[in-house]
Amino acid sequence: RKEVEQDPGPFNVPEGATVAFNCTYSNSASQSFFWYRQDCRKEPKLLMSVYSSGNEDGRFTAQLNRASQYISLLIRDSKLSDSATYLCVVSPLGYKYIFGTGTRLKVLA
Amino acid sequence: DGGITQSPKYLFRKEGQNVTLSCEQNLNHDAMYWYRQDPGQGLRLIYYSQIVNDFQKGDIAEGYSVSREKKESFPLTVTSAQKNPTAFYLCASIDSGGWSEAFFGQGTRLTVV
Repeated sequence: RKEVEQDPGPFNVPEGATVAFNCTYSNSASQSFFWYRQDCRKEPKLLMSVYSSGNEDGRFTAQLNRASQYISLLIRDSKLSDSATYLCVVSPLGYKYIFGTGTRLKVLA
Repeated sequence: DGGITQSPKYLFRKEGQNVTLSCEQNLNHDAMYWYRQDPGQGLRLIYYSQIVNDFQKGDIAEGYSVSREKKESFPLTVTSAQKNPTAFYLCASIDSGGWSEAFFGQGTRLTVV
């Protein structure tokens, strides 16, 4: 089993739709969780950290479910500019950041 | 401006050659990382370093080597032992282990010709 798993997609959604991605992790001792966004042929950039209590930033909401060992990202009112690959990152140990393979999102006009 | 710089942006290597990818950061971060990304794939960890003069192998270290003689610098050498080196290489740095955002360089695209 991979340490971090994501559905590769692509998720094709119309503008204005709500879309959700999940990411499962295998190490129950994992401490830190993040969502990154990566545009084609560019470096990943932090979208948001994921806290135990969940967090929201505008149209984006991240949740952590420790019991089931997954994190989620919800995007409301999708924009064309949201089209990208979304990578989840889990840190089971202090310095080892493990990336999922990413989920591709295409928002269609 | 503080940041992390990778060079070169594009690199072409002949089979059998060693090449070194540069990664420099002026963020005063302790930890630095090298990842490899293949088309349509996520990032796979090659090596990471928590402190100067110390580094650990990641999941795909075979055919690669690194050094960490200075806090600011973490070069990656792709050796001839790496059988399939064509990929996008990303360097990252983190302020404190496990709790902070990873900052990435713009990447080096290596192609074997």
